[in-house]
Amino acid sequence: GDSVTQMEGPVTLSEEAFLTINCTYTATGYPSLFWYVQYPGEGLQLLLKATKADDKGSNKGFEATYRKETTSFHLEKGSVQVSDSAVYFCALSEAGYSTLTFGKGTMLLVSP
Amino acid sequence: DARVTQTPRDKVTEMGQEVTMRCQPILGHNTVFWYRQTMMQGLELLAYFRNRAPLDDSGMPKDRFSAEMPDATLATLKIQPSEPRDSAVYFCASGLAPRIPAYNEQFFGPGTRLTVL
Repeated sequence: GDSVTQMEGPVTLSEEAFLTINCTYTATGYPSLFWYVQYPGEGLQLLLKATKADDKGSNKGFEATYRKETTSFHLEKGSVQVSDSAVYFCALSEAGYSTLTFGKGTMLLVSP
Repeated sequence: DARVTQTPRDKVTEMGQEVTMRCQPILGHNTVFWYRQTMMQGLELLAYFRNRAPLDDSGMPKDRFSAEMPDATLATLKIQPSEPRDSAVYFCASGLAPRIPAYNEQFFGPGTRLTVL
């Protein structure tokens, strides 16, 4: 079956540092890929998405590129802020299905 | 600003009691999901509905959990009887069955934090 593997957290960074959160996937078909973010005390919200190979999703300074050859969708940000502290979930969706397969989440902690 | 709403936000109950959680999906969305989040298991899909009909509830303990959609504006998740191991945050999410499958976004509610003593 489908699965998503994320790096374990927490990831602890100082403000303005570069962020990478690794995500790899296993899928039977050709999935769409997503990053969701969960701020403390809230539900998940979509951060960015990519629907085909070599697509780059971007939002709020975050980027991720769909790499079919390495089955990866790593999340990056050039300069993190304290307000980026949250849990980040990588997810995939197979064509024709409404469900999302989520990774276990990676907590990011940014200190001033 | 359309949002998924969930009630209650917090619930503390004693083992053996019935718990009902409610969700109002975004108006016009035809798919509703129930998730459970714990530190140990992460985010688990319990059940989901399309046009109010259950499509998959294989993630739900059948003996004590039940999920329904009495109408298009209300989804409920019930636990009877509740047990301490049910303590978790329960999220509802809604979405549109995508015409283009690639654009599958789910909109999450704020969650119900359940504590069973």
